[in-house]
Amino acid sequence: TAGITQAPTSQILAAGRSMTLRCTQDMRHNAMYWYRQDLGLGLRLIHYSNTAGTTGKGEVPDGYSVSRANTDDFPLTLASAVPSQTSVYFCASSLFQNTGELFFGEGSRLTVL
Amino acid sequence: DQQVKQNSPSLSVQEGRISILNCDYTNSMFDYFLWYKKYPAEGPTFLISISSIKDKNEDGRFTVFLNKSAKHLSLHIVPSQPGDSAVYFCAASGGVLTGNQFYFGTGTSLTVIP
Repeated sequence: TAGITQAPTSQILAAGRSMTLRCTQDMRHNAMYWYRQDLGLGLRLIHYSNTAGTTGKGEVPDGYSVSRANTDDFPLTLASAVPSQTSVYFCASSLFQNTGELFFGEGSRLTVL
Repeated sequence: DQQVKQNSPSLSVQEGRISILNCDYTNSMFDYFLWYKKYPAEGPTFLISISSIKDKNEDGRFTVFLNKSAKHLSLHIVPSQPGDSAVYFCAASGGVLTGNQFYFGTGTSLTVIP
């Protein structure tokens, strides 16, 4: 079982360019999340979706947008990347919002120059 | 402001001994707590959880203790093994009362010395 698949694994991006990080899950989970991991700051929630067709803002949503057109896919878009968005991005899912465990993807390392 | 804190960035333990990882939280609305383990270049994986109605949950070598009055939880690993070397994150949630979010600590890097 694939679980959560993220792409790309890593990317170098020029500041000002746009980028979409892809996330697909095959577990039919209702809720999906995007986190960023930064040294000394742990995992911080960017955006979440409790079910297909709905999204919500997390702790650090500025500069990012998401969509949830269907159950399986939850792409994260940076419209105009800035160096402070250099981070490792993790997509996660859970069966229902805020219950049980989160299942994480392997992460996407993004460097904005 | 960090609502979940792991004040020890790193911990080293001899193989076979006990590892104790600590986590403090500030929000009294949190009622569900989880520990995740993360190896380099991999996503975090769920380890163990505890609900606020309990003060202890055990799963094999891993035990989580919750002290609600102190807003403190700890993860005990006994006996520690080299394969336990990883970064451990604690996380907390209060459901609707805390915005339906999981809040994570900054992580503790555990090294188990063979």
